[in-house]
Amino acid sequence: DAMVIQNPRYQVTQFGKPVTLSCSQTLNHNVMYWYQQKSSQAPKLLFHYYDKDFNNEADTPDNFQSRRPNTSFCFLDIRSPGLGDAAMYLCATSSDEGYLSETQYFGPGTRLLVL
Amino acid sequence: QQQVKQSPQSLIVQKGGISIINCAYENTAFDYFPWYQQFPGKGPALLIAIRPDVSEKKEGRFTISFNKSAKQFSLHIMDSQPGDSATYFCAARKGNTPLVFGKGTRLSVIA
Repeated sequence: DAMVIQNPRYQVTQFGKPVTLSCSQTLNHNVMYWYQQKSSQAPKLLFHYYDKDFNNEADTPDNFQSRRPNTSFCFLDIRSPGLGDAAMYLCATSSDEGYLSETQYFGPGTRLLVL
Repeated sequence: QQQVKQSPQSLIVQKGGISIINCAYENTAFDYFPWYQQFPGKGPALLIAIRPDVSEKKEGRFTISFNKSAKQFSLHIMDSQPGDSATYFCAARKGNTPLVFGKGTRLSVIA
């Protein structure tokens, strides 16, 4: 099955200790997104890649960085996690080809806990 | 400025009843309006979507009603079931830009 895969599903880190979350996709989509979702809230877009072009949301803290080494993989780096960064992190993909550009496919998310 | 306003925040419906969730948008350039369903601990999954050239779209028990002049769209779940209990997000999009989400509605269907 074509999928958006996120690893790990659960991540525990210490305050200030860098952490990396990963996302891979078998859909061959050229657009990839990272969202932060806190409890009972809507997903909040952090940034997205259109191919290799990186688009950062204006209110995304500098503490959050991303890398996309190839079409299939995208990483979210949190350089110095604070307690307020504990959340579910969602990766999503979409394609800009025809009608497929309509749909964003989400991964299952990585729940980050900061101690 | 919230571009997509969703209501109600939570909803309790009896099994077999109709669940109705409403969204209003501000940007008339939006041209794609999906609804996502999210179960606890899972990522959102596309449920149904509509473009503004039609006023209604139905897929099984799920229907989107779209009112372009009022800049509103709604999700109707017919014959609601306990398995429909989830959080529902409306969203909107212009072209190939990222989705703008509503704040979500937590639906509980009780037997």
